[in-house]
Amino acid sequence: DTEVTQTPKHLVMGMTNKKSLKCEQHMGHRAMYWYKQKAKKPPELMFVYSYEKLSINESVPSRFSPECPNSSLLNLHLHALQPEDSALYLCASSQFLSQQETQYFGPGTRLLVL
Amino acid sequence: AQSVTQLDSQVPVFEEAPVELRCNYSSSVSVYLFWYVQYPNQGLQLLLKYLSGSTLVKGINGFEAEFNKSQTSFHLRKPSVHISDTAEYFCAVRDFNAGGTSYGKLTFGQGTILTVHP
Repeated sequence: DTEVTQTPKHLVMGMTNKKSLKCEQHMGHRAMYWYKQKAKKPPELMFVYSYEKLSINESVPSRFSPECPNSSLLNLHLHALQPEDSALYLCASSQFLSQQETQYFGPGTRLLVL
Repeated sequence: AQSVTQLDSQVPVFEEAPVELRCNYSSSVSVYLFWYVQYPNQGLQLLLKYLSGSTLVKGINGFEAEFNKSQTSFHLRKPSVHISDTAEYFCAVRDFNAGGTSYGKLTFGQGTILTVHP
């Protein structure tokens, strides 16, 4: 099973709201990733976790706050977002954090910030 | 730092015709190369990858790609496309060794939208 699940599928939020995106995998992978994909653009890396610890933060604004409570779960907490943060947020996982490993992507959460 | 160029933003073809989606990369070190497909309103699915060995890589759904080190290319091909192949295709590259660390950032090209017409 190579499935990464994400909830919710769609999310609409106002600029003052607090919401969270959830990602789950049960493949025993120890590396998990958050990407942001704007319309008609490729995915851009936001965060990387390895063994539940934050390894990479690609200079993402603090209104995005990642959390990895256990090896299967990855959250992205959202607060005071801007309309330009509207995008498809993709979660991915790989067995380990190494260049050879395939990253398996979830279906994404489509976020609209009003 | 590496970069990826997908030479065609859109490729229209007729069903059962062959197709080639072009990808060129630049990097100062050896790389690993990937092709992902994204169907409408879905996440990315790995089609194939080149890590080492034979330069001709076969993937899922009848796709294959050839790694050409001298031309720094990794073009994706399919001899006969189906309507269901309509999707966006992303070429991606990771450095073999990013500054001595174990992590190499996955860098995507801008994507090629393949549209298969009946």
